[in-house]
Amino acid sequence: GDSVTQMEGPVTLSEEAFLTINCTYTATGYPSLFWYVQYPGEGLQLLLKATKADDKGSNKGFEATYRKETTSFHLEKGSVQVSDSAVYFCALSSGAQKLVFGQGTRLTINP
Amino acid sequence: ETGVTQTPRHLVMGMTNKKSLKCEQHLGHNAMYWYKQSAKKPLELMFVYNFKEQTENNSVPSRFSPECPNSSHLFLHLHTLQPEDSALYLCASSINPRDNFYGYTFGSGTRLTVV
Repeated sequence: GDSVTQMEGPVTLSEEAFLTINCTYTATGYPSLFWYVQYPGEGLQLLLKATKADDKGSNKGFEATYRKETTSFHLEKGSVQVSDSAVYFCALSSGAQKLVFGQGTRLTINP
Repeated sequence: ETGVTQTPRHLVMGMTNKKSLKCEQHLGHNAMYWYKQSAKKPLELMFVYNFKEQTENNSVPSRFSPECPNSSHLFLHLHTLQPEDSALYLCASSINPRDNFYGYTFGSGTRLTVV
């Protein structure tokens, strides 16, 4: 079945550091790919998405490129802020009954 | 405010109590979902409803009983829960379960503590 694998956390960085959170997937067909973010005490919010190969999703300084050849959708940000501290979830949807989530990566940014 | 509203935000209940969680959306979505999020465990999909009909139940114990009276409202009725049921319960909605363009919209969750 479809699955998503994220890099293990937690990840701790200093403010203004470069961020990469790896995400790879296994899916039949041509899935859409998503990154969700969960701030403390809140539900999940859609951060960005890409619906076909080579698409780049971007929002709030975060970017991720849909790489079909490597089945990856890594999340990147050039300069993180303390306010980016949250849990990040990679997910895919391939037209099946449900969105498939990765296990989540907790990110902490220190001032 | 995401468009999906969950109440209450926090709930403490005894193992013999009966309580209900409520979820409401006015986004025009037809599919609604209950997820359980426990510490250090992946998100667990519990139930899926599409046009008020339950289309998925992921082997959830019968002490959790969902109800979907219409496409805008979803309830999770709780009775005789166990301490291990303590978790954040998230509701989500989407245009339909097969939508792979817009994704899901989540509520802020109900933090449930069973004592």
